[in-house]
Amino acid sequence: GQQLNQSPQSMFIQEGEDVSMNCTSSSIFNTWLWYKQEPGEGPVLLIALYKAGELTSNGRLTAQFGITRKDSFLNISASIPSDVGIYFCAGLRSGAGSYQLTFGKGTKLSVIP
Amino acid sequence: DTEVTQTPKHLVMGMTNKKSLKCEQHMGHRAMYWYKQKAKKPPELMFVYSYEKLSINESVPSRFSPECPNSSLLNLHLHALQPEDSALYLCASSQSYGLAGNYNEQFFGPGTRLTVL
Repeated sequence: GQQLNQSPQSMFIQEGEDVSMNCTSSSIFNTWLWYKQEPGEGPVLLIALYKAGELTSNGRLTAQFGITRKDSFLNISASIPSDVGIYFCAGLRSGAGSYQLTFGKGTKLSVIP
Repeated sequence: DTEVTQTPKHLVMGMTNKKSLKCEQHMGHRAMYWYKQKAKKPPELMFVYSYEKLSINESVPSRFSPECPNSSLLNLHLHALQPEDSALYLCASSQSYGLAGNYNEQFFGPGTRLTVL
């Protein structure tokens, strides 16, 4: 099946620092999604990217859809304690009667106040 | 309304019990999904419903039985579960399944934390 390589697996950062994480794949996707999940809760959609090269921001979050359509990154600027959680990338391929959503293994973010 | 709701939030059941998980969305989405998630792992797809019909069953054991009474509701009936079935069960929905185009991302509910004793 499809594989997404998400890195890093975990990060410990100081409050106020910027964070960067990325996902790469050997396959092309037509949508990239970034979710955040807190303990005991469902994943919450942060950013959706629909076009190769697209750069989208949501507050302190910025994500880009790689030009090759095989990768994406998420940046968080000026981290705060409530940024703690697991961040999942997901590549979506849909159309012609098929739909496949593939998740990365997640990046666990810890923020030290 | 951009929310997927799930009940109950927590469920503890014995291996001989029968219980049901419920999911609801009012976004007009025509595709709904059940996922199982173990700690520190990404969600694993179990079932997909498209236009109220079962489209995908990812080789899930028959002790899990999904049901889609209408386009807004999705149930997961549980019977004779095993302790290894303990996990967070997530429901999600998207505009459609298998159609081309953007804005087909999945929105997740908060999950049901299931413990099987």
